[in-house]
Amino acid sequence: AQSVTQLGSHVSVSEGALVLLRCNYSSSVPPYLFWYVQYPNQGLQLLLKYTSAATLVKGINGFEAEFKKSETSFHLTKPSAHMSDAAEYFCAVRDYGGSQGNLIFGKGTKLSVKP
Amino acid sequence: GAVVSQHPSRVICKSGTSVKIECRSLDFQATTMFWYRQFPKKSLMLMATSNEGSKATYEQGVEKDKFLINHASLTLSTLTVTSAHPEDSSFYICSASPRDRGPGANVLTFGAGSRLTVL
Repeated sequence: AQSVTQLGSHVSVSEGALVLLRCNYSSSVPPYLFWYVQYPNQGLQLLLKYTSAATLVKGINGFEAEFKKSETSFHLTKPSAHMSDAAEYFCAVRDYGGSQGNLIFGKGTKLSVKP
Repeated sequence: GAVVSQHPSRVICKSGTSVKIECRSLDFQATTMFWYRQFPKKSLMLMATSNEGSKATYEQGVEKDKFLINHASLTLSTLTVTSAHPEDSSFYICSASPRDRGPGANVLTFGAGSRLTVL
């Protein structure tokens, strides 16, 4: 069975500082991993995805994530935070055991950006 | 790009009434749509998988008579919360995968969500 753990339900950074949101996964098969962003009262928007190609994945809005099999991690980073990055971020893994095509989500990390 | 429209974005209803939420794929056909429920400060919980032309597959613990799902066409799935109660208040989100790429193509587009408040 697949699962995702996001460390830290709330992360606060200053504008211009590095953003690091942690995600660890558990999967018995090579995983497909995703990061989504959710703004208040909105649906989810795909930031980036890892599907077994390059281990360093670049996404939208300057975000990137690195797949590290040895650490079972897929942490999301951005070199310089912007006020508009304040949102909830979800890490997800494709569900192989349940409904095909479904994603299993972590509990989310709320990112706050201070001026 | 693929767009999924969800309507209404917000709905307030009285306890005991039924509410219908629509999920439409605007520029692609989707044989499979997923319905999620999101509790405050919680992750998304898959409720059911909606399959065009057949019965939805519900996750364990989700009442199928409570949450009626209909996937009548390749571009529309509906979720009806029947006899709603305050505990049904939540944020409901749908997602869809393009038909021509199949559910295994790792492409899911999410709707903007529907916030249901039951008084």
